[in-house]
Amino acid sequence: NAGVTQTPKFRILKIGQSMTLQCTQDMNHNYMYWYRQDPGMGLKLIYYSVGAGITDKGEVPNGYNVSRSTTEDFPLRLELAAPSQTSVYFCASSSRPGNEQFFGPGTRLTVL
Amino acid sequence: GDSVTQMEGPVTLSEEAFLTINCTYTATGYPSLFWYVQYPGEGLQLLLKATKADDKGSNKGFEATYRKETTSFHLEKGSVQVSDSAVYFCALPPMDTGRRALTFGSGTRLQVQP
Repeated sequence: NAGVTQTPKFRILKIGQSMTLQCTQDMNHNYMYWYRQDPGMGLKLIYYSVGAGITDKGEVPNGYNVSRSTTEDFPLRLELAAPSQTSVYFCASSSRPGNEQFFGPGTRLTVL
Repeated sequence: GDSVTQMEGPVTLSEEAFLTINCTYTATGYPSLFWYVQYPGEGLQLLLKATKADDKGSNKGFEATYRKETTSFHLEKGSVQVSDSAVYFCALPPMDTGRRALTFGSGTRLQVQP
């Protein structure tokens, strides 16, 4: 049972480049989330999804897009990378919003 | 709205010292409460949880009691080890429409010295 997996683990982008952060969970959870964690800070919610085909904005959605075509996958897209998007990105899932969330290992992104 | 307040860190302790990390919350109703731990270079893991008032969550020697009267969920451990060095987050789930994510505290970094 792999839980929540994320790829890549590390990435360096140039300003203006695009990339997709992948997230997959094998627990059949309906709820999935993307967070960013800046150095020495807590987590901020970027986007979340309550099921396949349904997504909504979190606290800091600007510069990002998501899709949810299957229960398992919840990719995060950065279209025009900016230095302000340098951060560690975590994907998480839960069976219900009031239940614990299971986190992936994170993707460390640097935009230069 | 919902909020979580944690004591600021870093907290630096010697091995075998007693640990308390304070957490208070503001929420509508009586949500479950969680403590997550983040070891260096890793994602967050659930450390313990409590689902109702007066519940005590415990795991790996850590404990926290859900205090409705003081809206608190302080994390304690009687004797810390170097391996407990990590960042600890208090969190509560949404209580309104259920369509949003956990509300996290700002995190408290614990450093345990041998």
